[in-house]
Amino acid sequence: EAGVAQSPRYKIIEKRQSVAFWCNPISGHATLYWYQQILGQGPKLLIQFQNNGVVDDSQLPKDRFSAERLKGVDSTLKIQPAKLEDSAVYLCASSFRQNYEQYFGPGTRLTVT
Amino acid sequence: SQQGEEDPQALSIQEGENATMNCSYKTSINNLQWYRQNSGRGLVHLILIRSNEREKHSGRLRVTLDTSKKSSSLLITASRAADTASYFCATDAPTQGGSEKLVFGKGTKLTVNP
Repeated sequence: EAGVAQSPRYKIIEKRQSVAFWCNPISGHATLYWYQQILGQGPKLLIQFQNNGVVDDSQLPKDRFSAERLKGVDSTLKIQPAKLEDSAVYLCASSFRQNYEQYFGPGTRLTVT
Repeated sequence: SQQGEEDPQALSIQEGENATMNCSYKTSINNLQWYRQNSGRGLVHLILIRSNEREKHSGRLRVTLDTSKKSSSLLITASRAADTASYFCATDAPTQGGSEKLVFGKGTKLTVNP
């Protein structure tokens, strides 16, 4: 079974630039999650999709972050404009059902300079 | 917001010893999950324990849950160098839409010395 795919693996941008991350979940998984993980901390949920509908985006900084999941499969997360404090690893995960075990991708390490 | 808090923050042991990590949380849960994260394999699910379960085993892992104390523990027996990783507990919390999401703690960093 193929795992959760993410790209790019690394990205370095300057503040105020924009960046986009892509995620392809495990086939058949209806729930998709984007997390932000700052060094030394646990993952923080940014947005949770059930198929292509948003279940929770309460911790997504909506003035600069946006995410979509077209056709209930792939998803993209965008930051525009980036700030220094956005430097983190962005993790995508998927699960067969909400609140079941989640399968994580390798993450994208973002550095904002 | 509800969050599991792991204790200790860091733990260093010798290969072959047992490692115990604890997680405390604030409000009622439906289930609690443990995850492991190392540089090689990313974040991996270890075990899920439901609120009506008290103990669960998976290989060298043993998880207990005490809902009266709002706490859980993860025991790794006969540890190996490959167990070196950060371990996170995650508890469910309600979402805006009325379903559930996971909230992760800050993790316990385990180092197993050969």
